[in-house]
Parts: sequence; C-alpha cells; structure tokens
Amino acid sequence: ETGVTQSPTHLIKTRGQQVTLRCSSQSGHNTVSWYQQALGQGPQFIFQYYREEENGRGNFPPRFSGLQFPNYSSELNVNALELDDSALYLCASSLAGGPDTQYFGPGTRLTVL
Amino acid sequence: SQQGEEDPQALSIQEGENATMNCSYKTSINNLQWYRQNSGRGLVHLILIRSNEREKHSGRLRVTLDTSKKSSSLLITASRAADTASYFCATDAWGGGATNKLIFGTGTLLAVQP
Repeated sequence: ETGVTQSPTHLIKTRGQQVTLRCSSQSGHNTVSWYQQALGQGPQFIFQYYREEENGRGNFPPRFSGLQFPNYSSELNVNALELDDSALYLCASSLAGGPDTQYFGPGTRLTVL
Repeated sequence: SQQGEEDPQALSIQEGENATMNCSYKTSINNLQWYRQNSGRGLVHLILIRSNEREKHSGRLRVTLDTSKKSSSLLITASRAADTASYFCATDAWGGGATNKLIFGTGTLLAVQP
C-alpha cells in the first residue's frame, strides 16, 4: 500500500458530460502528478501540481484541468467527455526535492459511453 | 507518446524460472524506474537506477542500464505465480515541474504458470 488513495474506483459517464476525479497524496508528499492509461498502453503524463499550481503538462487539451488543495490532495476535471477519454486515471504523489520515486494510487476507471 | 519500448510484449514462463524484460528509450535520462501493475490497477514501484549506475539489485530483482545503448533490462529470478503482472519501465523527463514527469514504455505482460 502506497498511502495514495483515489476516488471513485469506477465511473461511467456519457459523451459531453463532465467528471471530477480525486486523489489524496501520501503523507509528507507535496506534489501530485496525473496520468492517463488507455487499455493495453503505458500511462501517459497529463500534468503535475506543486504548491497548488500546475507545474508541467503533457500533450492533453485544456478540457483536462486540475486543482491542488492546501493539504496537497488534488482533483482532475475533464469537461466535454469524449469516447477516447475512457481509461484508467492514475495519480502519483512525490516529494519535491526528495527521492525521484512517485507513488501511485489504485486508479479510477472511467468509461465514457 | 511513449518514450520506451518493452520487449517482449508478453512472456509466459513456469514457476521457478527466470524472467527477463528489456526496455529501450529515446532521450537522455537522469534515472530509469521499473513498475509492476496487477490487472489494470495502480502501479507499484520496484526499483530505480540512476544514469551513472550500471546494475542494481533488490531481492529477486536485478536491473541493468546501458546508457550508450539507451536500454535497460529487468531480471526476476526464481519467479512465482504472484509475479504475474504487467511490468513497465519509466524514464524521467523534465516536465518543468518540481518532480520530473515519468514517461512510460508499452509494458511487458508476464504470466508465471504454477
């Protein structure tokens, strides 16, 4: 167990809807990164949050946005859902300036119909 | 886009045998990490090797890194049925953030038959 939790575990939405996924980081970690993993693929970096600000972004459109709260937990919001957004969404926490290892949560499985 | 490619894509072995997975990557790195994923769940960190290291051990795991060939290998010795999982290599890349972002390969699906 990494101490990183995510909610919900599974989610089914329809195309065009909006979704919010949540992540609680491991105690003592101040950085949260989000990844999208399509079926049969490796995870792809969406963005990272540090000190409540976006700090690095992958090749994802602006309808993917996020927040980080003072307790370092984080949200991933996706607007105008598309079928291709169906994936496992993983968050990872780490400590800025600490070891390079990122600790992953169990993920949220999003299905868009 | 994926940074790395794992080889083979899938591997099936008997319990007690050794399993070797290879990873190739494209750009310069600070470190390379290996993760395990069971049945589409979260990723578990296995081992990290820095660019100035050539080999590292952790229990039944042995990782090598050849930066001149931009490749790494993960060896699992005396495999067990519980080792059945997908294995990913991940290289760091400067994401403009406080912690380097990880770029994952495509993964190797390992099946260990009892």
